[in-house]
Amino acid sequence: GIQVEQSPPDLILQEGANSTLRCNFSDSVNNLQWFHQNPWGQLINLFYIPSGTKQNGRLSATTVATERYSLLYISSSQTTDSGVYFCAVERVWGNKLVFGAGTILRVKS
Amino acid sequence: EPEVTQTPSHQVTQMGQEVILRCVPISNHLYFYWYRQILGQKVEFLVSFYNNEISEKSEIFDDQFSVERPDGSNFTLKIRSTKLEDSAMYFCASSDALYRRSSGNTIYFGEGSWLTVV
Repeated sequence: GIQVEQSPPDLILQEGANSTLRCNFSDSVNNLQWFHQNPWGQLINLFYIPSGTKQNGRLSATTVATERYSLLYISSSQTTDSGVYFCAVERVWGNKLVFGAGTILRVKS
Repeated sequence: EPEVTQTPSHQVTQMGQEVILRCVPISNHLYFYWYRQILGQKVEFLVSFYNNEISEKSEIFDDQFSVERPDGSNFTLKIRSTKLEDSAMYFCASSDALYRRSSGNTIYFGEGSWLTVV
């Protein structure tokens, strides 16, 4: 099956700093989503981005489908950004999202 | 934004008991999913459901699990005889693309149901 690798596994930031999270995947995809899991366990959908670039406030994401990776940028981080960030992909003609192991982000005030 | 709703939010059950987790997918969606996440681990696919039948299931989804769409709005996951290792967060999800297997579309997740087996 498709492999999804996220890096770094852990990241500690000072409030106000910027960060880049990476997701590598092993096959062609028609769906790539970034999620933020908050302290209550809820999965918050950040982006649907199988290719191209999108921005939403302080967050932006870029997927280079031909090179099989995606990047999530967090600018001017806040303590509320803390949590686990998951990348999940679905291969073409697939039937499910496959999740990476996640990046644990801690933002200190 | 449209919502997938799940009930209960948290359930504690005795080992060996049957549990039913309920989900109301987004109303015009056609594809439905269950995922689970054991505490501290990644989110794992259990099963996908389309046109009133299972499209795909993982190795985790063994004979003790079943899914059903009993009416036009609900989608349920039944665990027949719970084990301690079934303790996890269970997520329901849905998607609306008719031809999504080739074109893809956003999959929306519910807030999850925590299951604790004691």
